[in-house]
Amino acid sequence: EAGVTQSPTHLIKTRGQQATLRCSPISGHTSVYWYQQALGLGLQFLLWYDEGEERNRGNFPPRFSGRQFPNYSSELNVNALELEDSALYLCASSSGQGYYGYTFGSGTRLTVV
Amino acid sequence: KNEVEQSPQNLTAQEGEFITINCSYSVGISALHWLQQHPGGGIVSLFMLSSGKKKHGRLIATINIQEKHSSLHITASHPRDSAVYICAAYSGGGADGLTFGKGTHLIIQP
Repeated sequence: EAGVTQSPTHLIKTRGQQATLRCSPISGHTSVYWYQQALGLGLQFLLWYDEGEERNRGNFPPRFSGRQFPNYSSELNVNALELEDSALYLCASSSGQGYYGYTFGSGTRLTVV
Repeated sequence: KNEVEQSPQNLTAQEGEFITINCSYSVGISALHWLQQHPGGGIVSLFMLSSGKKKHGRLIATINIQEKHSSLHITASHPRDSAVYICAAYSGGGADGLTFGKGTHLIIQP
């Protein structure tokens, strides 16, 4: 069974540009979660999508947004990139039925120069 | 909001040593995770537990709900165990109910 897949693995952008990160959950999982792991910090919750809808978002500005597609894959968009957006962005998925923990992807390392 | 603290932040040990990583949290939880993150960045879930003890190979995780404390032990450590180990506490309420520690960076030297 394929795990949670993220693309691209690495992304380099210039300040002010937009970045788009993608995540495909495990088959059968309907919930997708996005986390940011900045250097020296723990994982910070960004966004939660379930059944195509945004269920919750963390304490991040509106330029962090996303969506979930009918096949449950998800996209994270970061507009007007700032240097401090440089981080590892991790996606996780779950079945959405009760709490059985999350399965994480390998992440996208975003570097803003 | 739950606060999750891990100790030590960094740990270097010799191959074969018994390793203990600690995690404490501030509010009641329904589940606690131990995660492993290798230098490439990907995270692997090692354990999810809500009481007692779990064992998988050379890894053992314990939790004391009353003391709000969990430990991850590695027996007969090996250089391939070198990674960042992250504790995450789930206190319910959806995705923002999962609070992560900052991780323990473990290096096992041959």
